[in-house]
Amino acid sequence: KAGVTQTPRYLIKTRGQQVTLSCSPISGHRSVSWYQQTPGQGLQFLFEYFSETQRNKGNFPGRFSGRQFSNSRSEMNVSTLELGDSALYLCASSLEQGKRTDTQYFGPGTRLTVL
Amino acid sequence: AQKVTQAQTEISVVEKEDVTLDCVYETRDTTYYLFWYKQPPSGELVFLIRRNSFDEQNEISGRYSWNFQKSTSSFNFTITASQVVDSAVYFCALTSSWDNYGQNFVFGPGTRLSVLP
Repeated sequence: KAGVTQTPRYLIKTRGQQVTLSCSPISGHRSVSWYQQTPGQGLQFLFEYFSETQRNKGNFPGRFSGRQFSNSRSEMNVSTLELGDSALYLCASSLEQGKRTDTQYFGPGTRLTVL
Repeated sequence: AQKVTQAQTEISVVEKEDVTLDCVYETRDTTYYLFWYKQPPSGELVFLIRRNSFDEQNEISGRYSWNFQKSTSSFNFTITASQVVDSAVYFCALTSSWDNYGQNFVFGPGTRLSVLP
């Protein structure tokens, strides 16, 4: 099976702009989670989607949003970008049960740089 | 609240040495799952192992081995005869099943392992 894919891999934006990142989960996986990774804060949970519904959300401002499509592909959007949003954004998918105990499989990430 | 601590920020070893990465966790749940992931320079987190709280049996997979001890809330990871390709950041993670609903992994800060030739 193909792994989790994320596009684009690299992105450069300026402050105030918005950005959309895309994630395609492993075939058959219905749960998609997003994480932000920075040197200072480490890996932080953003949100999780299952069957097109957001089930969990981390402690991030409303500028961070996401959605999931019927084919389980997911997008996350960050509006009004700030310098502190520069990070590696990782997407993970897990088995169709979407349970808390499922193993998450990660994509290669999208490295976002905000200038 | 759940928490994962990896006290070792960085470790450097010479090739062929054995190295142990420490992981200490906190949770109030009686059923939980622990994971180790490896993040090479490419950035992708690679799943290594998953262990549930009811299974304290140690596991060995090739040069990798894991020591899970509930009494000390630790889930340590040992690489035997390390190789340069083992150089990466290693993360320990925890999730619980108290409601078996939704995913929310808690990751430790990671340990950067450098294996020198």
